Amino acid sequence: EDKVVQSPLSLVVHEGDTVTLNCSYEVTNFRSLLWYKQEKKAPTFLFMLTSSGIEKKSGRLSSILDKKELFSILNITATQTGDSAIYLCAVTMNYGGSQGNLIFGKGTKLSVKP
Amino acid sequence: DGGITQSPKYLFRKEGQNVTLSCEQNLNHDAMYWYRQDPGQGLRLIYYSQIVNDFQKGDIAEGYSVSREKKESFPLTVTSAQKNPTAFYLCASSKGPGQQDYGYTFGSGTRLTVV
Repeated sequence: EDKVVQSPLSLVVHEGDTVTLNCSYEVTNFRSLLWYKQEKKAPTFLFMLTSSGIEKKSGRLSSILDKKELFSILNITATQTGDSAIYLCAVTMNYGGSQGNLIFGKGTKLSVKP
Repeated sequence: DGGITQSPKYLFRKEGQNVTLSCEQNLNHDAMYWYRQDPGQGLRLIYYSQIVNDFQKGDIAEGYSVSREKKESFPLTVTSAQKNPTAFYLCASSKGPGQQDYGYTFGSGTRLTVV
């Protein structure tokens, strides 16, 4: 069964801390891994990763994929209260009737305290 | 501006009633999806449609129904057969199989509460 597992499920840090969120996956015919940030309502896109070892960066956020070990990490440096959200990891596959569908992990709820 | 519109934002349903959640997109996306989100459960796929007049069951389709008569619209009906419908429902769209380079675009969601 295809699955995506995120850890930790919840995390509380203080402003200025650096956090690392984990996402591991077991899927057949992996295509890509995506990270989303969900604050109140709609998840917003952060990164899409398809190749191992290539870091994607956007401001204080960065992410990298390891296709050999089947995981990805999302790093947030110098956290701010505005980073408080649920971070969702999702994976797509290359084939089959569900081609293109995202399989989501349960998310990591990050709370950043002032 | 292009995007996905879900309505209503909040919906209350009495037990035994059917309700329909609206999802409209003007992104010219081929594929549309409905997810249910419960606390601690992440997003679970209810139904998806990759082309007009065709749709497929997701992982938790029981008690739900959909239609895809137009490319822009993918309404979800929560029927009385759904035993635990209280949840947050998210609609999403993408360019379609093999073209989801930037993943999905999500609507703002509908929070359904059974009273």
